[in-house]
Amino acid sequence: EPEVTQTPSHQVTQMGQEVILRCVPISNHLYFYWYRQILGQKVEFLVSFYNNEISEKSEIFDDQFSVERPDGSNFTLKIRSTKLEDSAMYFCASSELGPFSGANVLTFGAGSRLTVL
Amino acid sequence: SQELEQSPQSLIVQEGKNLTINCTSSKTLYGLYWYKQKYGEGLIFLMMLQKGGEEKSHEKITAKLDEKKQQSSLHITASQPSHAGIYLCGADIRGDYKLSFGAGTTVTVRA
Repeated sequence: EPEVTQTPSHQVTQMGQEVILRCVPISNHLYFYWYRQILGQKVEFLVSFYNNEISEKSEIFDDQFSVERPDGSNFTLKIRSTKLEDSAMYFCASSELGPFSGANVLTFGAGSRLTVL
Repeated sequence: SQELEQSPQSLIVQEGKNLTINCTSSKTLYGLYWYKQKYGEGLIFLMMLQKGGEEKSHEKITAKLDEKKQQSSLHITASQPSHAGIYLCGADIRGDYKLSFGAGTTVTVRA
C-alpha cells in the first residue's frame, strides 16, 4: 500500500539551529500538508502546498518556517532558527485530490519527532 | 474558530466488548475524518464521512455522521487488542482539508 515516508524519525537539535524535515509523499499525489503535535496536545494544521506554492498557512507558520518541493519527490519543512517551543511531532500528509473536490483522503506519514534543547 | 470535542478522553474495555467514541463540532462539517494514532506509525486513516446521516463500516468499526453534520460517532464491535490506540476525529469545515483535530480518545483493550 502506498505510504508517505518521513525522515528523520527523531531529531535532536540545539536552540537556534536550522532543521529540515523531509517527506516523500505518495507518488501520484499533488497536494501536500504539514501538521504538528506538541506532546499532549492536539494535532494542528501548519501549511498546505500545491503547484509549488503555499495554498494556506496557519498562524503557527510564521517566518521561521518554510516549505519547499526541491525535486519531484521530496517535500520539506524547514525551521530556520529553532525554539524550545518547536519541539513536537511533525506530520507530513498528502492527498490525490485538491480542495473542494469532494470525498478525499489525507494520508499521513509516521511523523518526525523534533526535540529542541 | 472551530471547536471539536471528543469524548471520552480515555476508556478501558474488556476484550470482546463494544465501545463508542463521540466527536461533536461547534460548526457544520464539510467532512469528518477518523484516524487512529499509534506511536511510530503516524495517523492511520479509518473513515471519512461527508453526507448527513452517512454511515460507513470497515471490519468491526462503524462510523456515523448525524443529519445535522455536527456530530459523529465511532463504534467498535467486539473489541480486540489490535483496536488499542488513540482515536482522533478531524473536522473539515470548508472542504479544503485543513483539518481541525479533536484531543483524541485513548482506547485500552484488556484481555
